Amino acid sequence: GESVGLHLPTLSVQEGDNSIINCAYSNSASDYFIWYKQESGKGPQFIIDIRSNMDKRQGQRVTVLLNKTVKHLSLQIAATQPGDSAVYFCAEIFSGTSYGKLTFGQGTILTVHP
Amino acid sequence: DTEVTQTPKHLVMGMTNKKSLKCEQHMGHRAMYWYKQKAKKPPELMFVYSYEKLSINESVPSRFSPECPNSSLLNLHLHALQPEDSALYLCASSQWGLAGVRFFGPGTRLTVL
Repeated sequence: GESVGLHLPTLSVQEGDNSIINCAYSNSASDYFIWYKQESGKGPQFIIDIRSNMDKRQGQRVTVLLNKTVKHLSLQIAATQPGDSAVYFCAEIFSGTSYGKLTFGQGTILTVHP
Repeated sequence: DTEVTQTPKHLVMGMTNKKSLKCEQHMGHRAMYWYKQKAKKPPELMFVYSYEKLSINESVPSRFSPECPNSSLLNLHLHALQPEDSALYLCASSQWGLAGVRFFGPGTRLTVL
């Protein structure tokens, strides 16, 4: 299940289950969004992106959904594997700033149990 | 070569020391970034370089001094740091003009004693 509190939200799933990680973004002018995966001791790794003119985008085992009405982003991971265990960050960008300043969400810890 | 490399991987320094963090990429990216990440927190932008010129300084204290000697290298010079500066320092790069940052380095874990 998922829990939110003073610490990072956590999501625990069994191997093979589908995972859904949620993110609320803050700026209604943001027009580009990225999901990153960060494993322990490593830098963030780009997973998938989506522009605000899209509602859904699919990659390999991952799908990102965007609901601009409620400023909500989700990352779905199909057939979750132990190697998917990591912290997942969403990030929003207003592309009018060409230097691509990212505003990160607080992150969600995903733990996949074999 | 589609990666950003950073050295050293770990660094321990005293408050009176001077040290430097190094970052390198060979993807032809003309935007390079320094981020700071505290434990259990998202990365925070510190500096942005575009075409080897500093374009953004996110109100970072002067004890952090960035330098971009050429289009492939980015340095962060450290002097008179405080224990609260202990963090993971991430370098990143991207194509200028494209939204987002695609490539982060593995980071330097800095401990200030």
